Amino acid sequence: GAVVSQHPSWVICKSGTSVKIECRSLDFQATTMFWYRQFPKQSLMLMATSNEGSKATYEQGVEKDKFLINHASLTLSTLTVTSAHPEDSSFYICSARLGGQPQHFGDGTRLSIL
Amino acid sequence: GQQLNQSPQSMFIQEGEDVSMNCTSSSIFNTWLWYKQEPGEGPVLLIALYKAGELTSNGRLTAQFGITRKDSFLNISASIPSDVGIYFCAGQDRSGTYKYIFGTGTRLKVLA
Repeated sequence: GAVVSQHPSWVICKSGTSVKIECRSLDFQATTMFWYRQFPKQSLMLMATSNEGSKATYEQGVEKDKFLINHASLTLSTLTVTSAHPEDSSFYICSARLGGQPQHFGDGTRLSIL
Repeated sequence: GQQLNQSPQSMFIQEGEDVSMNCTSSSIFNTWLWYKQEPGEGPVLLIALYKAGELTSNGRLTAQFGITRKDSFLNISASIPSDVGIYFCAGQDRSGTYKYIFGTGTRLKVLA
């Protein structure tokens, strides 16, 4: 149980392109979803917290107009990196939780901007 | 952002040896968690701890929630090659947002 699916797993695109990443909780309804960013050999850094039907809460220093988050249902959240540039290249990971249960993570999306 | 201090940063051990790693914080947490991450994948939950002093096992893994609520440790007994990976501790924020603050990670390599 507690499976979280993330898609795509890998994407390469040109600078200036917008990229959408999907996060789905497959076997449970997620009260909250989280989006993280991880640079090579570093830990996970929280970008934003997303509750279904409401606006995402962004961490300090994360541009909300750059990283658009939509949480339209209890099983789906999307992160759109708008007008991506090489410095946005990173490993993006989502997680989902139900109530007070631990967060369960997707397998991540490796984003490379040329 | 804030991170928890995790040590050691990396470990090279022989197969069959026991492993111990810990995580410390300047803040109190009500929940501590341990995750394992393998290359190119997301973290996988190993153990969740909810009470100060709690000692919980999951197979060869044992973790404890420190009495001060500012630390936690993870032990792996009789390591095997598939234990290779990065182990992260996480503390759950007490503000009610259920956010996690992650440790800096311990990179484990097991020599067969």
